[in-house]
Amino acid sequence: QKEVEQNSGPLSVPEGAIASLNCTYSDRGSQSFFWYRQYSGKSPELIMFIYSNGDKEDGRFTAQLNKASQYVSLLIRDSQPSDSATYLCAVNGGDDKIIFGKGTRLHILP
Amino acid sequence: SQTIHQWPATLVQPVGSPLSLECTVEGTSNPNLYWYRQAAGRGLQLLFYSVGIGQISSEVPQNLSASRPQDRQFILSSKKLLLSDSGFYLCAWSHNYGYTFGSGTRLTVV
Repeated sequence: QKEVEQNSGPLSVPEGAIASLNCTYSDRGSQSFFWYRQYSGKSPELIMFIYSNGDKEDGRFTAQLNKASQYVSLLIRDSQPSDSATYLCAVNGGDDKIIFGKGTRLHILP
Repeated sequence: SQTIHQWPATLVQPVGSPLSLECTVEGTSNPNLYWYRQAAGRGLQLLFYSVGIGQISSEVPQNLSASRPQDRQFILSSKKLLLSDSGFYLCAWSHNYGYTFGSGTRLTVV
């Protein structure tokens, strides 16, 4: 069974610091990888996707992928209180069905 | 641009009552559509997905059913709700960059 694992948190990070969120996946054939942000009571919102090994940067967000280690991470620089949310890691194994992790709760301390 | 609509936003239903949740997509044709449920404190569980009109795949055995009567319409139903059907129901459509979710329906079965 394909699985995506995340630490549930909460992860507490001071405002202005770097938040580092991690995720591992079980299916070595996975092709694409996503990070979603979900505020309490709201639906998930796609913030990053990555297909190739290495880093992908978009503003304050950097996604990192290591397929050999089956590991995906999300870095948030200059963390803001508005970044406080649950972050969901998601993996597409190539059959157009995305498997989601249970999410990591991030709390930015003012 | 593509948009996805879900309604209602919240619903309180008694045990044993029927259910019908609707999802529609605008701005795209022949989308792959998905129903997910997120129970309190748990991850996103894929319930159904559809690749076209009348084509429904069920991921888990349950008290729910789905239908796709039109290309851009996806309906989630139940004949008799159980307490365990409570949760946050999300419709999504897939594209090259992952899934886009609707705003969700929070269902409470009492």
